[in-house]
Amino acid sequence: DTGVSQNPRHKITKRGQNVTFRCDPISEHNRLYWYRQTLGQGPEFLTYFQNEAQLEKSRLLSDRFSAERPKGSFSTLEIQRTEQGDSAMYLCASSLGETGLNEKLFFGSGTQLSVL
Amino acid sequence: AQRVTQPEKLLSVFKGAPVELKCNYSYSGSPELFWYVQYSRQRLQLLLRHISRESIKGFTADLNKGETSFHLKKPFAQEEDSAMYYCALSRGTSYGKLTFGQGTILTVHP
Repeated sequence: DTGVSQNPRHKITKRGQNVTFRCDPISEHNRLYWYRQTLGQGPEFLTYFQNEAQLEKSRLLSDRFSAERPKGSFSTLEIQRTEQGDSAMYLCASSLGETGLNEKLFFGSGTQLSVL
Repeated sequence: AQRVTQPEKLLSVFKGAPVELKCNYSYSGSPELFWYVQYSRQRLQLLLRHISRESIKGFTADLNKGETSFHLKKPFAQEEDSAMYYCALSRGTSYGKLTFGQGTILTVHP
């Protein structure tokens, strides 16, 4: 499968623990996005990267959240001191970052986080 | 702030019937609008975008700036159209930064 890959698929953790998710974008895609989706809602934008530079962060991204894309390839999303409200599906998407409206997102299958 | 509203959480039609999934938006600038679809056990994927004025799988969507709507339509629904549909709005320099609606689950009965 040459699509966007996310690991793990599921993560169960206890409140207060730290968790880290990984996203491998489609090769040569220079833009990478993180979204969060809670039950019954559409995905919500969290942050995105152009190569290794993090260009924008949503206000939803509290200081407990940190995302990196150190070499402009894979990305990690870390949540420190998890809270029950962090339980959600975390989606990653990548694109070639074409200018204008040609940009097309390709989504991964997501990581389902459950905080007990 | 921009907002996307999909008033119907569930929509059921019979095969061969017309279908319309509603989407309304609020945004002060010139929005770019998209429909994304998620079939059972598959990933979220782009269905169509308004600027392309395309028809994908028989679906079309027209941007009505006066009514701030971007409804998705298909004249004859098929069972394989059953899925979750999300309307999304984009602004700014990155068209991958999207504001999604809550989604509508479409079920097409045989």
